Amino acid sequence: DIQMTQSPSSLSASVGDRITITCRASQGISNYLAWYQQKPGKVPNLLISAASTLQSGVPSRFSGSGSGTDFTLTISSLQPEDVATYYCQKYNGAPYTFGQGTKLEIK
Amino acid sequence: QVQLVQSGAEVKKPGASVKVSCKASGYSFTDYYMHWVRQAPGQGLEWMGWINPNSGGTKYAQKFQGRVTMTRDTSISTAYMEVSRLRSDDTALYFCAREKPGDGLDVWGQGTTVTVSS
Repeated sequence: DIQMTQSPSSLSASVGDRITITCRASQGISNYLAWYQQKPGKVPNLLISAASTLQSGVPSRFSGSGSGTDFTLTISSLQPEDVATYYCQKYNGAPYTFGQGTKLEIK
Repeated sequence: QVQLVQSGAEVKKPGASVKVSCKASGYSFTDYYMHWVRQAPGQGLEWMGWINPNSGGTKYAQKFQGRVTMTRDTSISTAYMEVSRLRSDDTALYFCAREKPGDGLDVWGQGTTVTVSS
């Protein structure tokens, strides 16, 4: 099975900072990569699909890139409401494995 | 509006089974695969499998093969996920989630807490 590895596992940054989270697949998955945001005590929310397609209603400060094995989620200017755990997920076929998550906090 | 509403919290003893339901509304139930994802306390998301509500076909993560069964009732737009031979490490929040074709899981249920304790 393809493994999904996120880094870092946790991140502390200041409001207004640009932050990047990386997700690496152990084999190529083309662009079948989604990013989710899960705020504390809440249900996961789909942010980005097809590696770079922003879902409706998601602020434009979020962006995704990558293809094959290496992907990134970028927040251009961190806001207090972005405190959450972020997960990547492959969906090019079963199993639809998630990364282990990146917990983002505000300094 | 599109929504998935799951059944309520369950407390089970080790060795028992639990069946969680997920009722869909606001869209054509048979047009979208339904996935199940669980999250143990303080842990990450774990994909369990999917069901094709149109055909009833299923695909399970290898870890759950033989212990998880996903079914559906199209007459009431409801998907079910049953876990048998429960263990303490099955204690988790269980989510159903709709797959938007080619796009990932775009609609999630509110989650069902399953607690396994003697």
